[in-house]
Amino acid sequence: DTEVTQTPKHLVMGMTNKKSLKCEQHMGHRAMYWYKQKAKKPPELMFVYSYEKLSINESVPSRFSPECPNSSLLNLHLHALQPEDSALYLCASSQVPPGEAGGYTFGSGTRLTVV
Amino acid sequence: DQQVKQNSPSLSVQEGRISILNCDYTNSMFDYFLWYKKYPAEGPTFLISISSIKDKNEDGRFTVFLNKSAKHLSLHIVPSQPGDSAVYFCAASAYNNDMRFGAGTRLTVKP
Repeated sequence: DTEVTQTPKHLVMGMTNKKSLKCEQHMGHRAMYWYKQKAKKPPELMFVYSYEKLSINESVPSRFSPECPNSSLLNLHLHALQPEDSALYLCASSQVPPGEAGGYTFGSGTRLTVV
Repeated sequence: DQQVKQNSPSLSVQEGRISILNCDYTNSMFDYFLWYKKYPAEGPTFLISISSIKDKNEDGRFTVFLNKSAKHLSLHIVPSQPGDSAVYFCAASAYNNDMRFGAGTRLTVKP
């Protein structure tokens, strides 16, 4: 299995809703990432988990809450989001450190729309 | 503060010719550099990478060159094909798995 699987692919939520994005990989990677990408912009790093511990938090608002229950799963819990949070949310995984041969693998993303 | 910069938002080349995409970085802690190809509404697809101990890495039609002293890397695609048309992102990673992307360059290869 050489994929990162993200669910759901599309999500529409109201500003008072609570939802979660899920990410799963079975490549034995011990680092997992959340990126946010707005239209016509590069992916922006949000969080990095290394060996299931949060190692980087790029000053993301607390309405985004990451969770890494085990080495294969990464969640992003969403609560009280704003319309400007609408974006493509990408999950990625890699070895620690990433190494050569394309150590980062991305999922296809969750398209989030906040109404 | 953009640590990875791609100063050309777009590039257009003729099929069969060389495409050269450029990238500059500012953080000397980066030790691993990658190029990704991206289509709309999809995750980035890895193309090629290079570690900081090398100055060139080649994979088929794709070659990445790294000039550490200038903090500059480039992606060469030879020969360019219409199917190469996409947005290309340069990315740089430090040992602590902190990976940053450039703004991207939209490559159009004309038949």
